[in-house]
Amino acid sequence: DAGVTQSPTHLIKTRGQHVTLRCSPISGHKSVSWYQQVLGQGPQFIFQYYEKEERGRGNFPDRFSARQFPNYSSELNVNALLLGDSALYLCASSLARGGTEAFFGQGTRLTVV
Amino acid sequence: LAKTTQPISMDSYEGQEVNITCSHNNIATNDYITWYQQFPSQGPRFIIQGYKTKVTNEVASLFIPADRKSSTLSLPRVSLSDTAVYYCLVGEHSGNTPLVFGKGTRLSVIA
Repeated sequence: DAGVTQSPTHLIKTRGQHVTLRCSPISGHKSVSWYQQVLGQGPQFIFQYYEKEERGRGNFPDRFSARQFPNYSSELNVNALLLGDSALYLCASSLARGGTEAFFGQGTRLTVV
Repeated sequence: LAKTTQPISMDSYEGQEVNITCSHNNIATNDYITWYQQFPSQGPRFIIQGYKTKVTNEVASLFIPADRKSSTLSLPRVSLSDTAVYYCLVGEHSGNTPLVFGKGTRLSVIA
């Protein structure tokens, strides 16, 4: 059974550009969360979606947005990229809304230059 | 959410047992204790979860005293491949709050 898949695995963007990151949860999982992890820190919560609705949002600016599709896959969008947005972006899926047993993808390494 | 405190780093030789202790003085009644492992450039991986006393699986054991204000992750006979960052998280098992990660404990296993 496939785990959480994220695409792309790596990408490089220029300041001011826009980026879209994609996540496919484990089959049957309806909750998808996004996390940002900068070097040397633990993952920081950005968004949670459950049944296609936003259920939680972390302390991130409005440049960050996300959505969940009918098949429960999700996209994270970041506008007007800053150098500080360079990080590993992780997607996690779980059966229940919230919950502490989450399954993470490999992440997307975003570098903003 | 209960805050957790754990050592920044630990070193161990191969074959030794490693115990990583996490403090969570403000743990709530409905909170579970969960540990994740993360290798470089990978997402965190669930290791073990418990509510009280002792939990054991094929990877680790989790010891939780009666007051639940701390917990200890025990890794038996570590190998080089156990070198990773280990995160202790506290939260409801099926609640509506996101996972809150601290900086974790960086375990280095030496040959």
